[in-house]
Amino acid sequence: DIQMTQSPSSLSASVGDRVTITCRASQGIGNDLGWYQQKPGKAPKRLIYGASSLQSGVPSRFSGSGSGTEFTLTISSLQPEDFATYYCLQHNSYPPLTFGGGTKVEIK
Amino acid sequence: QLQLQESGPGLVKPSETLSLTCTVSGGSISSASDYWGWIRQPPGKGLEWIGSVYYSGSIYYNPSLMSRVTISADTSKNQFFLKLRSVTAADTAVYYCTRIPTWIPLPDPWGQGTLVTVSS
Repeated sequence: DIQMTQSPSSLSASVGDRVTITCRASQGIGNDLGWYQQKPGKAPKRLIYGASSLQSGVPSRFSGSGSGTEFTLTISSLQPEDFATYYCLQHNSYPPLTFGGGTKVEIK
Repeated sequence: QLQLQESGPGLVKPSETLSLTCTVSGGSISSASDYWGWIRQPPGKGLEWIGSVYYSGSIYYNPSLMSRVTISADTSKNQFFLKLRSVTAADTAVYYCTRIPTWIPLPDPWGQGTLVTVSS
């Protein structure tokens, strides 16, 4: 099975900072990757699909890049509502679906 | 607007069977465009795909849970179901039901989730 390794597991940042989260796949997955945002007590929300396509309604400060085995989620200017946990998800080998371990973005 | 809602007992005893229902509104589980899936999240931990069902009857399971899981669907009620047998404390989690589009299998939307605690 394809394993997804996400880093860092947590980070502290200030409002306005540029934040980058990385996800690495154990084998090539093309661009079959999505990114999700989860706030406490809520279900995850899809932000990015196809590694770099922005879900409708998601602010343009979010962007995704990468292909093959290395992917990044970038928040260009962190806003108060962006403090959350972010997960990558690969679907190249679906089934199964495989999530990364998550990155918690906290206020510095 | 498509909505999903999980329901079922919030407390299950060890060794018993966890049973959950997902009721779908604003769309049909008979659609050829979608799988319908279950995902869980232990408290304070990450997300784990459990399995998915397709309108044709095809069912896919996470290999790590396959021996204990059954997913099924009732198209007449627009519901799909999860049964997890022989539960232990490690199965304590928030369980989400979700749509998984066939064109790009990334779950969206999700139900609000339901916490199931395994305890005697």
